[in-house]
Amino acid sequence: SQQGEEDPQALSIQEGENATMNCSYKTSINNLQWYRQNSGRGLVHLILIRSNEREKHSGRLRVTLDTSKKSSSLLITASRAADTASYFCATVVKAAGNKLTFGGGTRVLVKP
Amino acid sequence: NAGVTQTPKFRVLKTGQSMTLLCAQDMNHEYMYWYRQDPGMGLRLIHYSVGEGTTAKGEVPDGYNVSRLKKQNFLLGLESAAPSQTSVYFCASTLPRSGANVLTFGAGSRLTVL
Repeated sequence: SQQGEEDPQALSIQEGENATMNCSYKTSINNLQWYRQNSGRGLVHLILIRSNEREKHSGRLRVTLDTSKKSSSLLITASRAADTASYFCATVVKAAGNKLTFGGGTRVLVKP
Repeated sequence: NAGVTQTPKFRVLKTGQSMTLLCAQDMNHEYMYWYRQDPGMGLRLIHYSVGEGTTAKGEVPDGYNVSRLKKQNFLLGLESAAPSQTSVYFCASTLPRSGANVLTFGAGSRLTVL
């Protein structure tokens, strides 16, 4: 069973709009990470948020974490066509040897 | 600085054949991982290694074997390939710091088993 589940599975927006995707998980985490995967490529790390943090920013990315609801959200502001990709959340659980467990991903299409 | 390199990038096998995927990293990372990615399933961990000479099973280890004889290399073997092993395989590595475990991924190896 997957630790992280992303919602929605797919998202289509116009360039300039914001994109929001959510990740829910089941067990207590050490940290939660977001990765991007362009078509046919490997995953690239975007941002990490620790269990004692509630919000982090990196450029046009904003990540929130609500440990009481076991959920996280990734917001991409002022989207660009180059943001078209799949986005995955990954949870790190200390009890599981700090291995990353990935969700199924959100496919984002940004139309020019 | 190449990062994580996977070979081969593409391979077609017949059922029952064997093959080895090679992962090489030049970042002196301690931990290495093999994942498979199937449509709608995200990435699932096959095997991993926390150091040279050590390996451990992940979520879906059946049908695969691994070896970590050198720190920079992590090999994934299929002894008798099955159509269910058709997938895209990703290798990743990390130098764990305070449990952060941020992964660097290779570009992937697409395997088709007929």
